[in-house]
Amino acid sequence: GQQVMQIPQYQHVQEGEDFTTYCNSSTTLSNIQWYKQRPGGHPVFLIQLVKSGEVKKQKRLTFQFGEAKKNSSLHITATQTTDVGTYFCAGKGGATNKLIFGTGTLLAVQP
Amino acid sequence: NAGVTQTPKFQVLKTGQSMTLQCAQDMNHEYMSWYRQDPGMGLRLIHYSVGAGITDQGEVPNGYNVSRSTTEDFPLRLLSAAPSQTSVYFCASSYQGTQPQHFGDGTRLSIL
Repeated sequence: GQQVMQIPQYQHVQEGEDFTTYCNSSTTLSNIQWYKQRPGGHPVFLIQLVKSGEVKKQKRLTFQFGEAKKNSSLHITATQTTDVGTYFCAGKGGATNKLIFGTGTLLAVQP
Repeated sequence: NAGVTQTPKFQVLKTGQSMTLQCAQDMNHEYMSWYRQDPGMGLRLIHYSVGAGITDQGEVPNGYNVSRSTTEDFPLRLLSAAPSQTSVYFCASSYQGTQPQHFGDGTRLSIL
């Protein structure tokens, strides 16, 4: 079945450093979604990418969808303590209606 | 609007007991789903529904049942609780499966 992996599993940075998480799917995705989950909270939708090679920006966050629509990345420039949390990608592949989430990357930011 | 409401927020069960986790949404969303979250495992899809009367299995359906008699409600039933089902359970909904998911606050379930 479809699998979505994320690396790294955990990242610890100093405030002001950049951060990147990578998402890789075993199948071609129709789209990719990114979510953020604060400690103790629930996942909150950040953005959706649909087109091959698409790049979107939200302030300090940059999202990319790979040309083959099997991978994606989230890059945060100059991290802040408010960026702390777990970042998940999620995608739907093939003819299925299942939305499969990645394993997540936990970001810790030291002031 | 309340969004997605999950009850209870916390529950402790004994092995072998059964229970139902409730999920309700007031956004007229067709797509609803249940996920479980375990450390290092991310969010794993248990069951999902694309509309009233239609359900399908996700990645880890064993030990769980669902039904979708109305658009608003999507309960998750644990038939005979096992310690391996200790987890945080999230319900989510959206207009369609490819649209952004709205999550409930989760149910933290412990099985002794």
